[in-house]
Amino acid sequence: GAVVSQHPSWVICKSGTSVKIECRSLDFQATTMFWYRQFPKQSLMLMATSNEGSKATYEQGVEKDKFLINHASLTLSTLTVTSAHPEDSSFYICSASTPIAGITDTQYFGPGTRLTVL
Amino acid sequence: AQSVTQLDSHVSVSEGTPVLLRCNYSSSYSPSLFWYVQHPNKGLQLLLKYTSAATLVKGINGFEAEFKKSETSFHLTKPSAHMSDAAEYFCVVSRGRNTGFQKLVFGTGTRLLVSP
Repeated sequence: GAVVSQHPSWVICKSGTSVKIECRSLDFQATTMFWYRQFPKQSLMLMATSNEGSKATYEQGVEKDKFLINHASLTLSTLTVTSAHPEDSSFYICSASTPIAGITDTQYFGPGTRLTVL
Repeated sequence: AQSVTQLDSHVSVSEGTPVLLRCNYSSSYSPSLFWYVQHPNKGLQLLLKYTSAATLVKGINGFEAEFKKSETSFHLTKPSAHMSDAAEYFCVVSRGRNTGFQKLVFGTGTRLLVSP
């Protein structure tokens, strides 16, 4: 149980284009989803928190107009990297959390999406 | 503010020998602490979690961790390493109540290398 998927698993795009990454909770309803960024050989940095049906809350230093997050349903959140540039190349990981299990601070992570911007 | 420090960036062990991955935390209140494992090109998997119940927490794949408040530590151990344990391990603490206790703060990670 508690499986989270991401699509695509990797994507290469040209500078200036936009890329959308999907995060789905497959067997549970996720009231909260999180988006992280991981640089090579580094730790995960939280980018934003999204609750279903409301606007995402971004961490300090994260450009909300560049990283658009939509959490339209209890099983789907999307991250759109707009006007991507090479410095946006990274590993993006989502996670999902639900209070249904009675544990509200356990996050279940997706496999990640590797974005390369040329 | 909550934070975790993983004391070793790399740990090398031989298959069949014990594993010790060290983690110290800083928190202004009783924290929730986690260990996650990340295999190459795969998502993070929860190994175990401490939430102020028993101080010795048993996880999956034979791993366990002990919460020691006096030492502010939450070290991860396993009696006998397997080749399949080779991965990146992250010690994680829940962030402050005022900012939403679901938010996690990750350590910098420890890469476990297991040799035959």
